[in-house]
Amino acid sequence: AQSVTQLGSHVSVSEGALVLLRCNYSSSVPPYLFWYVQYPNQGLQLLLKYTSAATLVKGINGFEAEFKKSETSFHLTKPSAHMSDAAEYFCAVTGAGGGYQKVTFGIGTKLQVIP
Amino acid sequence: DAGVIQSPRHEVTEMGQEVTLRCKPISGHNSLFWYRQTMMRGLELLIYFNNNVPIDDSGMPEDRFSAKMPNASFSTLKIQPSEPRDSAVYFCASSSTDRASYEQYFGPGTRLTVT
Repeated sequence: AQSVTQLGSHVSVSEGALVLLRCNYSSSVPPYLFWYVQYPNQGLQLLLKYTSAATLVKGINGFEAEFKKSETSFHLTKPSAHMSDAAEYFCAVTGAGGGYQKVTFGIGTKLQVIP
Repeated sequence: DAGVIQSPRHEVTEMGQEVTLRCKPISGHNSLFWYRQTMMRGLELLIYFNNNVPIDDSGMPEDRFSAKMPNASFSTLKIQPSEPRDSAVYFCASSSTDRASYEQYFGPGTRLTVT
């Protein structure tokens, strides 16, 4: 079984400041990890993913995340927030390997960017 | 590529009425997911199809909910009879299990309001 915990349902940052969205996971098997972004009235869109290759993963829009097995974390960062980054972000986990593996999503973190 | 297509985008109905939500997955994808998103419960997986066959329906709330996938390019989620607590945004997503990353592509969602 897998689960994810996103710390902070709401995060506010100033434009130009560092963005840090926290995600901790639990998995009984080696995990695949994802960050999705949801803009208002839209579906989820993949930002980046970890699939057991490089532990530092770069995604779209300047975001990146680092897989830390020892900390069971997969935090999302961006050096400088932009107004267009205001959205809801979801961390997700599934089990690596073949066959059906259910993807479990976190509760989401709403990012507010203050001008 | 047109992406995942859902219809209708908005649905308002009265309690007791039948509601049918529709989804066209991305061409070539052989996995399809129905999710429900609410403020209280976040994003919940309702049902998962692989090659048009339901594989995991453990998330379907109760017998009032049913889903079908008659072919690779079409799926429906039906609620009969609808209740106010069914009000939510329903997402369809598709993926190709040929890709080990299990990346899912989401449609824009159907916002259902049951009065």
